[in-house]
This record gives sequence, C-alpha cells and structure tokens, in this order.
Amino acid sequence: AQKVTQTQTSISVMEKTTVTMDCVYETQDSSYFLFWYKQTASGEIVFLIRQDSYKKENATVGHYSLNFQKPKSSIGLIITATQIEDSAVYFCELTSGGNYKPTFGKGTSLVVHP
Amino acid sequence: EAGVTQSPRYAVLQEGQAVSFWCDPISGHDTLYWYQQPRDQGPQLLVYFRDEAVIDNSQLPSDRFSAVRPKGTNSTLKIQSAKQGDTATYLCASTGTGVTEVFFGKGTRLTVV
Repeated sequence: AQKVTQTQTSISVMEKTTVTMDCVYETQDSSYFLFWYKQTASGEIVFLIRQDSYKKENATVGHYSLNFQKPKSSIGLIITATQIEDSAVYFCELTSGGNYKPTFGKGTSLVVHP
Repeated sequence: EAGVTQSPRYAVLQEGQAVSFWCDPISGHDTLYWYQQPRDQGPQLLVYFRDEAVIDNSQLPSDRFSAVRPKGTNSTLKIQSAKQGDTATYLCASTGTGVTEVFFGKGTRLTVV
C-alpha cells in the first residue's frame, strides 16, 4: 500500500528566506512519480513540480526545487526567496502502480511574513 | 482552455438527504478523479475513472456513495442519505494520458447539519 507522510504541520518564515518542506513516502513499486501541489486560501489547488523516480537529477521550476533522496524515500520541496503569496498549504503526492493511483499527504501550511 | 468545472459550489443538507455533484473535466482528459477533503486535511481519493471505466473505488463508501462517468466525459458523484461526517469539500480533478500533472476543479463545499 502507498503512504505519504508530511510531518510538518505548519511553518512560519520571513519573506525572502528559503524554506524546506519534508515528505516521506512508501511504495512497493520500483517506478513511481512524486508531485507537489499548492492550495491557496481560496481553495484552489495547483501543480508546482514533479520528480520521476528514475531521474537522478533534482527537478527545478522557477523558485521551486526538489531534494530527492531515493534511498531515504524522501522528496523535500525547497522554496527560495519566499514571497508573501507563497503562503498556502503544500501537498506532496505519490503516484505509483500499474493504474497510477495517487496518494496525497496531509499537507504543510506555510506562512510567509513581511 | 477551460479548466475543470464543478457544480454546485456549495451545498447545505440535513442528515438523511441526498445530493449530487457534477464534474466536467478538461476536454480530452481520459482520467477523472473524485476526492474528499475534510477541513485541514489533504485530499483523500474516493474513486477514479479512465474513460468510462472505474479504475479504483476501494475508498468509496459504497452503501451511500456512487459515482458514474457514462460517456467517459462528465461525471456525477452522488451521496444518498448524507451524514454529518460527510461534511467536506468534494474535489474533481482530471489528467491526460499517462502520468501528467493533475488539474483540479474549485470543489463543492458540502455541509451536513
């Protein structure tokens, strides 16, 4: 069975700093896909970045990057130069299995202070 | 292109009442998901379809919940005899062929009193 654990319930940072959010996953599949999504205060959920398990290079999109540590089953999200509008809830998601079944973590709330 | 459309946006029911949620995915997306998101929790998968076929409904409370996608496009999620524990936001999402990013609708916020 798949499982995704986000241990940080909430994080508070000052604007323009760097923040890392943790995510640990469990899967028995050798090939899988990891995603990070952001849910804003309005409830809208948007895709941020993905990492395919067979890729060794960490994904980077804009000021989002990933710290993929496959032996530890860990996929951290790093946000550099945080902005006020980065305040949101961030979800880690694992897709694996022949039917590409998705599993979400419980989320980490990020508050960025001016 | 238009995003994932859901209706209604809000619903308030008394326990025991029935409600249906409707979802129109992005055109051409073959996979459609229904999630339940209780307050302050992550989305929890209820059921998902590929075209008109149910791929996994193991988390769908089959005694009161049902979901269909008869033509492989729009989908309806129905709750018969709602309970207070069903209070949550119900999210529909869709994705194209293979493993690609998922696009979410704005959700339906359900309150059962």
